[in-house]
Amino acid sequence: EVQLVESGGGLVPPGGSLRLSCAASGFIFSDFWMHWVRQAPGKGLMWVSRINGDGTYTDYADSVKGRFAISRDNAKSTVYLQMNSLRAEDTAIYYCVRLQLGEFGDSWLDPWGQGTLITVSS
Amino acid sequence: DIQMTQSPSSLSASVGGTVTITCRASQSIHNYLNWYQQKPGKAPKLLIYVASSLQVGVPSRFSGSGSGTDFTLTINSLQPEDFATYYCQQSYSSPLTFGGGTKVQIK
Repeated sequence: EVQLVESGGGLVPPGGSLRLSCAASGFIFSDFWMHWVRQAPGKGLMWVSRINGDGTYTDYADSVKGRFAISRDNAKSTVYLQMNSLRAEDTAIYYCVRLQLGEFGDSWLDPWGQGTLITVSS
Repeated sequence: DIQMTQSPSSLSASVGGTVTITCRASQSIHNYLNWYQQKPGKAPKLLIYVASSLQVGVPSRFSGSGSGTDFTLTINSLQPEDFATYYCQQSYSSPLTFGGGTKVQIK
């Protein structure tokens, strides 16, 4: 069974740092791009970051660029999100998601982890 | 960035009824459009990919259509477990973007 399990969430003061982890199982981890998507309380979904299979390419939403860093350890089948200089508006559930690629350049997000809540507050 | 606009933002429907949700992209995304269902306190779940392909295990009462800028998610014979929030998402270009969501409530 394909599974993604996030950890590392919690309460952090503004300006603080946190590292999220996402442990994958049930598939060849290094074959897949991995993404982080977040959801503020009561709000919609927002893409945060992505990383390719061998970790050589990363990309970020403008709102987190320069503050967040995505990385992966394929030997551990784990993707990370290092979050620095956290702000109140970063408060959200953070989901780890696998990107499934289609035959014609299409893609979709599946599956999603259960999510981990980050609360940025003093 | 490609903007995704869903309508309506919420709707009420009866069990057994039919629901149609619309998603519009700010530019052509061909058929690079996916739909997700999210129930309260749960992670989103893929329903339909590439505009009209049903994900394995998803009931056939769910269907998707459209191409270019206009897309539709239809739920026929609405079941109690279908009451949830639905999101569209484009995968045509980075950054991936989502619609604002449509909450389907019981009438």
